[in-house]
Amino acid sequence: DIQLTQSPSFLSASVGDRVTITCRASQGISSYLAWYQQKPGTAPQLLIYAASALQTGVPSRFSGSGSGTEFTLTISSLQPEDFATYYCQELNTYGYTFGQGTKLEIK
Amino acid sequence: QVQLVQSGAEVRKPGASVKVSCQASGYTFTNYAMHWVRQAPGQRLEWMGWFNPGSGHKRYSQNFQGRITITSDTSASTAYMELSSLRSEDTAVYFCARLTRTGTYPALDYWGQGTLVTVSS
Repeated sequence: DIQLTQSPSFLSASVGDRVTITCRASQGISSYLAWYQQKPGTAPQLLIYAASALQTGVPSRFSGSGSGTEFTLTISSLQPEDFATYYCQELNTYGYTFGQGTKLEIK
Repeated sequence: QVQLVQSGAEVRKPGASVKVSCQASGYTFTNYAMHWVRQAPGQRLEWMGWFNPGSGHKRYSQNFQGRITITSDTSASTAYMELSSLRSEDTAVYFCARLTRTGTYPALDYWGQGTLVTVSS
């Protein structure tokens, strides 16, 4: 199975900050990568698919980039509702692996 | 609007089985594959398998081979995930999620609310 490694695992930031989360794949997955946001006690929500396409209804402060083995999720100006855990997922193979998550906390 | 509504929390003893349901509404059930993902307390999301109610095709993660069965009842627009030979490590929240494709690119766009399964003697 493909392994996905996110960095950092924990991130402390303030409202208004620009933050970037990285997801590295153990082998190339083209652009078959999605990003999800999960708040405590709730199901994940799709933010980005195809590595850089914004899901309908997701604020434009979220953006994704990358291809192959390295991907990034950027939040341009953090809002209070953005403090959550973020996961990447590969959908190129039948493993559908998730990264270990990045917990974004308020500084 | 698309909704996935899962069955309620379950408690099982080690060695038992559990069957979780996921009722879909707001779209044509047979046009989308349904995936199952679990999350143990404080852990990452773990993909378990998928089932296509239109074709009957399915695929399971090797981590659950031999213990998992995913099925559906198209007349009720409901997907099911059954996990057998439960052990304490299977204590987790289990989610169903619909797979959508935009062009060739898939993603899990709608999720159920989750079902807590607790395995304890």
